[in-house]
This record gives sequence, C-alpha cells and structure tokens, in this order.
Amino acid sequence: QITLKESGPTLVKPTQTLTLTCTFSGFSLSSSGVNVVWIRQPPGKALEWLALIYWNDDKRYNPSLRSRLTITKDTSKNQVVVTMTNMDPVDSGTYYCAHRRGASSWFEFDYWGQGTLVTVSS
Amino acid sequence: QSVLTQPPSVSGAPGQRVTISCTGNSSNIGAAHDVHWYQHLPGTAPKLLIFGNNNRPSGVPDRFSGSKSGTSASLAIAGLQADDEADYYCQSYDNRLSGWVFGGGTKLTVL
Repeated sequence: QITLKESGPTLVKPTQTLTLTCTFSGFSLSSSGVNVVWIRQPPGKALEWLALIYWNDDKRYNPSLRSRLTITKDTSKNQVVVTMTNMDPVDSGTYYCAHRRGASSWFEFDYWGQGTLVTVSS
Repeated sequence: QSVLTQPPSVSGAPGQRVTISCTGNSSNIGAAHDVHWYQHLPGTAPKLLIFGNNNRPSGVPDRFSGSKSGTSASLAIAGLQADDEADYYCQSYDNRLSGWVFGGGTKLTVL
C-alpha cells in the first residue's frame, strides 16, 4: 500500500525559503522508473506541477519556477524534499507530493498525499 | 487560467449520467498525450480515477469512464451517487510548456 505525507511549515514570511518534506511508504525510490513529484494548488486556482525527481536522481523543474526550486531525495529515509526560495503571498496554497510508477511523460500521478497548507504572510 | 479547460461545475440527480469535458490544444491532448482524471474531496488526497484516457485503476467502479478525441477528453459518471460529489480534474502533458498540465477542476453536485 503506497502512502505519501507532506510536512513542513504552515506559515512562512515573504522572501523566506520554504522547505517541504514528503515521507512515503510502500515503494522504493531506488526502483527503476519510479519518481515523486511536487504539485501545488493556490486557493481557487488550478493545480500546478513544481518539481519531479526520478529513481536515478534526475530532476525536472517547472520552467516558470525553475530558478526558485530544488528537489532532493533521501532513499534511505524514504523522503523527498523540495525547497522554494523567495516566497511570496501568491505562493500560498496547498502543496502535494505524488508518486508516479514510470519515467515517461504519459504516466499518471497514481498516489497522492493529502497535502499541506502553506500561507505566506508577514 | 488553466492550460486545460473544464466547466467550473456540473450537476445531476442521483442515478443520472453526467459528463465533464476537458479541452486542450495541439501541444497537449492533441499531441496524443494521455489524459488522466482525478477525484478530489477537499482535505483529502486526490484519487486517480481514470488513467491513459480510458483505464480504471483497481477499485474504481465501472460507472466511471473516460474518452478522448482530438484535442478534448471527457469523463462520464453513470448512475450518480451522493458520494460522487467532489471536484474532478483532468491532466495531461504539454510539449510547449515541457511539463504536466491540469484542468481548472469541475465541481460535481449531486442534487
């Protein structure tokens, strides 16, 4: 049974760096093809993918946010961490991590965490 | 503004059939990228409903079905039940944006 859970601060100040951790179980991020992605949803807006890390440590970033994002994994701890710099109130929203079973672009996000709400405010 | 366009809301009475459309363009759905559908109840983890345009994961009732044609896709829900009330999102991949894209979501109300 695959589960994922996001954790991190609920409140960050503008210009600060956000660090979120995705702790998962039921799969190994060292298995060929497996990857984990971060997705966010501002209130009332669409879902937006942020960053993705593959089993082989390859990474992909949303081009519109690339300069602000870093994604890493700790396979031994079953964790994926994303950092986003220079936070702004427009970055407020629910942040999700999700599992993908294959590396190709057509694979779906088959398991999601329940999300963590982040508010950016001074 | 979402890359994939969905109606903000749909509704239907119990037992009825509803469809939710998802319209893209030539760089995503029209580029032969698969469409996936998710069901989301606020405060819970989004759930994969349909993958690869028309495939149901194990455990998803056959009341849910997906289709795709050209630059659009649709999710159909037959025999509406009260617990189908949720938000539904479509998702695909976009060549021009070099990444995964979502619809804006459709809120289903069971009357």
